[in-house]
Amino acid sequence: KAGVTQTPRYLIKTRGQQVTLSCSPISGHRSVSWYQQTPGQGLQFLFEYFSETQRNKGNFPGRFSGRQFSNSRSEMNVSTLELGDSALYLCASSLGDRTNTGELFFGEGSRLTVL
Amino acid sequence: GENVEQHPSTLSVQEGDSAVIKCTYSDSASNYFPWYKQELGKGPQLIIDIRSNVGEKKDQRIAVTLNKTAKHFSLHITETQPEDSAVYFCAASMEYGNKLVFGAGTILRVKS
Repeated sequence: KAGVTQTPRYLIKTRGQQVTLSCSPISGHRSVSWYQQTPGQGLQFLFEYFSETQRNKGNFPGRFSGRQFSNSRSEMNVSTLELGDSALYLCASSLGDRTNTGELFFGEGSRLTVL
Repeated sequence: GENVEQHPSTLSVQEGDSAVIKCTYSDSASNYFPWYKQELGKGPQLIIDIRSNVGEKKDQRIAVTLNKTAKHFSLHITETQPEDSAVYFCAASMEYGNKLVFGAGTILRVKS
């Protein structure tokens, strides 16, 4: 069974640009969550999508957005990039429904560097 | 909102010794407490979790204890091995895995 796939794995952008990251969840998983990981702030929840709807949202500015497609694949977008957006962006998938055990399956992340 | 504190930030043990990592949480509504292990270059992986209606859970060399009154939970690893070296994160959630609030992490080094 394939794991969670995130693309691209590494990318470099400059301030003011925008970026789109992609996540393909484990087959059959309908929930996709996004987390930002930085040395200073640790792992922080961005948002969660379930069946194409945003179900939960963290405390990030509106520059951070996401969406989920009918095949459960998800994308997140960061507009008007700032230096502080440099981070590892992790995607995690789960069943997301009442059968959910609680376990999140994380991808290896997309490392974004903003210059 | 929920806040999770984790101690220690680094922990070095000799192979075969035990390791204990402790976390406290602030919101009594949290009901799910997982522990994740992150190896270099990889995403976090669940190693054990506990729900608020259980006080202790064990899986081979790993155990987690939960004290709801004191709002703290701990990870215990016995007979540590070099492959246990990694960063360990505790987390808390009110929604069974969704919207996890993570601790800052503990770097565990097992010396052989």
